Parts: sequence; structure tokens; C-alpha cells
Amino acid sequence: AQKITQTQPGMFVQEKEAVTLDCTYDTSDPSYGLFWYKQPSSGEMIFLIYQGSYDQQNATEGRYSLNFQKARKSANLVISASQLGDSAMYFCAMRDIYNQGGKLIFGQGTELSVKP
Amino acid sequence: GAVVSQHPSWVICKSGTSVKIECRSLDFQATTMFWYRQFPKKSLMLMATSNEGSKATYEQGVEKDKFLINHASLTLSTLTVTSAHPEDSSFYICSAPEGEGEYSNQPQHFGDGTRLSIL
Repeated sequence: AQKITQTQPGMFVQEKEAVTLDCTYDTSDPSYGLFWYKQPSSGEMIFLIYQGSYDQQNATEGRYSLNFQKARKSANLVISASQLGDSAMYFCAMRDIYNQGGKLIFGQGTELSVKP
Repeated sequence: GAVVSQHPSWVICKSGTSVKIECRSLDFQATTMFWYRQFPKKSLMLMATSNEGSKATYEQGVEKDKFLINHASLTLSTLTVTSAHPEDSSFYICSAPEGEGEYSNQPQHFGDGTRLSIL
């Protein structure tokens, strides 16, 4: 069965430093997409970054980059130059088409706290 | 960009009441929408897949008669929590992928969620 695992319930980072949030996944399908979402305390889900299983290069979006290691089935999110506004829950998610009909399955989440 | 609107944002009601939550795709058509439930500091748990013009597909363990889903048009899906009780209190959030067919690289667009409190 498809599975997403985030092993860090909570993380602390000093403002302006970089932080890596871990995500591992498991799927038998060769075609899948990996997503990271940010959820502030207000509850809305904010899309951050996407990585496709066939993408050759790691995805980057501004201060966000995805360290995609396909053989290890990991898709860690790297946030550079952390800001106070980055404090939130972060969710890794996966979607594959053939097994799950496009459903997005989420990891447990990591609560990131940025210290001033 | 694409937007999903969810209404209401907050609901507080008495036990035994039925509550309807609406999810609308504002500038795109969504043949499929997804309903999630989330407890504080926890992950989003998929409840069901809402399919336009057909029956919803429920995840294992989700009561179909408790959580009624209707997807009557390409832009609207509704979740009705029937005869709600305090244990149904939660954060409910809908989402819709933009585009048809092979949309594995399309981000799902989420509504802002509904906080349901049953007294």
C-alpha cells in the first residue's frame, strides 16, 4: 500500500538558518508525484513545491528546494534562510495515478518553529 | 490562480443536528473532489472521493450514512454530517485537482476548511 512517513513531529530552527524536513515514501507505481504543503495555524493548505518521479532535477521554488533521492525513496524539503513566518505545520504528500486514482495521501506532518 | 471556496468556515451546533459543508471550484471544473478530516496537530485523513454525477468513493472505516457526499455539478461538492455528535467535531477540508486525466503534476487546490464543533 502507498505510504508517506514524516518522522519529525517537531523541529526548531534559528531565524535565517536552513532546515531540512524529512519525508520518505513507499509505492509500487513507477509514476507518482510528491508534494509539500504548508499549513499555518489558520488552517489553509499552501502548496510549496512539486517533484515528479521522472524528473531528473531536484525541484526548487524560491527558498524551498526538494532533495529527491529516488533510490532511497526520500523527498526531503529544504527551507533556506528561515523566516519567522515559516513557523507552521508542513506536510509531505504523494499522489500516484494508477493505484490510487489521483488521491493525495499525506504524511503525519512536521511542526516547524522558527526562533528569532 | 485556481481557487477552491469552502463554506462555512466555522460551525457550532447542537448534537443531533445535520450540517452541510460546501466546496466550490471557482474558476475551473472539477469532476473529482476530495474530502479530508483533520484533528489538531495531526495529518489530513482522506474520507472520500467525490465524483461528479456518480456515487462517492469512501475510504475504509468512513461511515457512508454519517457523511453524505453529493457532487451534483462540475463546480460543487457538498459534505453533510448527519445527526452530528461531539465526536464528529473536527476540521474538514476539501480539495480539487485542476485538470483532467493525467494530472499527477498538478497541485491540488484546497479550500480553507471548516471547523465543526458539536456541543
